[in-house]
Amino acid sequence: EPEVTQTPSHQVTQMGQEVILRCVPISNHLYFYWYRQILGQKVEFLVSFYNNEISEKSEIFDDQFSVERPDGSNFTLKIRSTKLEDSAMYFCASPRTSGGRQQETQYFGPGTRLLVL
Amino acid sequence: RKEVEQDPGPFNVPEGATVAFNCTYSNSASQSFFWYRQDCRKEPKLLMSVYSSGNEDGRFTAQLNRASQYISLLIRDSKLSDSATYLCVVTPHGSSNTGKLIFGQGTTLQVKP
Repeated sequence: EPEVTQTPSHQVTQMGQEVILRCVPISNHLYFYWYRQILGQKVEFLVSFYNNEISEKSEIFDDQFSVERPDGSNFTLKIRSTKLEDSAMYFCASPRTSGGRQQETQYFGPGTRLLVL
Repeated sequence: RKEVEQDPGPFNVPEGATVAFNCTYSNSASQSFFWYRQDCRKEPKLLMSVYSSGNEDGRFTAQLNRASQYISLLIRDSKLSDSATYLCVVTPHGSSNTGKLIFGQGTTLQVKP
């Protein structure tokens, strides 16, 4: 199974601080996704990213969030000023195929557990 | 109404039992359907896709009823290793669809020796 990697595995931060979560998706894939899962709750879509720009974002993805692809392989999610309610598991995902979008399943990275104090 | 709805459980069953999970979705135009498995504090992993004709993978059988907007997963001969949370997942329909996955809250299965 193709591998999606994420760093760090855990991050603890103070409220109001900026955090950057990193993902290395499956190589040569054009679509990337971020999801989050608050402890005990369902997995929620945050944003999809295609060809170096946001293609869709959810209501959760407000101005505090941004995504970038700083180089050819990494894909980052930045939270500018963290809030207590940002504490969650953040997953990066790639579709099964390089052109995959609709009707495609996705492979998830192991996640970054973010704790905001 | 929730987009994807599941009974959260937990379902506690003995080894060897057959267990069935159900899921309903609200958008009749939903396009693709999946069952994912999630172990505690881990990422979701694809268990199987779900097709209108029904499909089977070993001990696992998935069915889709588009008319009723209902998806099911049947696990036969449960193993201890089947203990996990099972996530019902759909993709929405439409030209603006970017392939995002919409998750149910999951159904927890605990298989006891």
